[in-house]
Amino acid sequence: DADVTQTPRNRITKTGKRIMLECSQTKGHDRMYWYRQDPGLGLRLIYYSFDVKDINKGEISDGYSVSRQAQAKFSLSLESAIPNQTALYFCATSDLNNQPQHFGDGTRLSIL
Amino acid sequence: SQKIEQNSEALNIQEGKTATLTCNYTNYSPAYLQWYRQDPGRGPVFLLLIRENEKEKRKERLKVTFDTTLKQSLFHITASQPADSATYLCALVPPGGYNKLIFGAGTRLAVHP
Repeated sequence: DADVTQTPRNRITKTGKRIMLECSQTKGHDRMYWYRQDPGLGLRLIYYSFDVKDINKGEISDGYSVSRQAQAKFSLSLESAIPNQTALYFCATSDLNNQPQHFGDGTRLSIL
Repeated sequence: SQKIEQNSEALNIQEGKTATLTCNYTNYSPAYLQWYRQDPGRGPVFLLLIRENEKEKRKERLKVTFDTTLKQSLFHITASQPADSATYLCALVPPGGYNKLIFGAGTRLAVHP
């Protein structure tokens, strides 16, 4: 089984819909991250959480919200989806500072 | 703000040759720099980490160098194989960045038999 699992893997939806992307991990890491990846751009940080009670905005948080339901679960919501939020979304985890991040296989989200 | 530049053009090399990928950054020097591999339809996978006080790091056929004067990291794959074909991402953490990685857009490597 994958250490970092993202659901769904693919999603097509319409403008204005509310969408939730889910991430769960079995690595026991405290730190979890949400990124989006667009063609020609690097991964950009949306939100991150260093423990269950800690939520922080990243570089591009507008239009997104997150919830850290447990150490192992971190979900990303788009309250009212718009077409320019069409992208690949990745969840990642890490343990302490200066440690590598472990990524899920992503959710491909298309907003029509 | 900190920027990372990786060659956007794909690198095509022959099997058995050494692939060299470049990562340049602007502004302040990062506390450390990481390299990841990404295959189509998959998430990035960590390869190597190098700290600001290290000049070079090796792991099997992989080597990373870090030149804080040039503001550049080079990533080498020796004796390259077709299975090394993928996109390679450079990422850095600025001083005091608390593991908030800043990624480059990546360079696609194609190794031909």
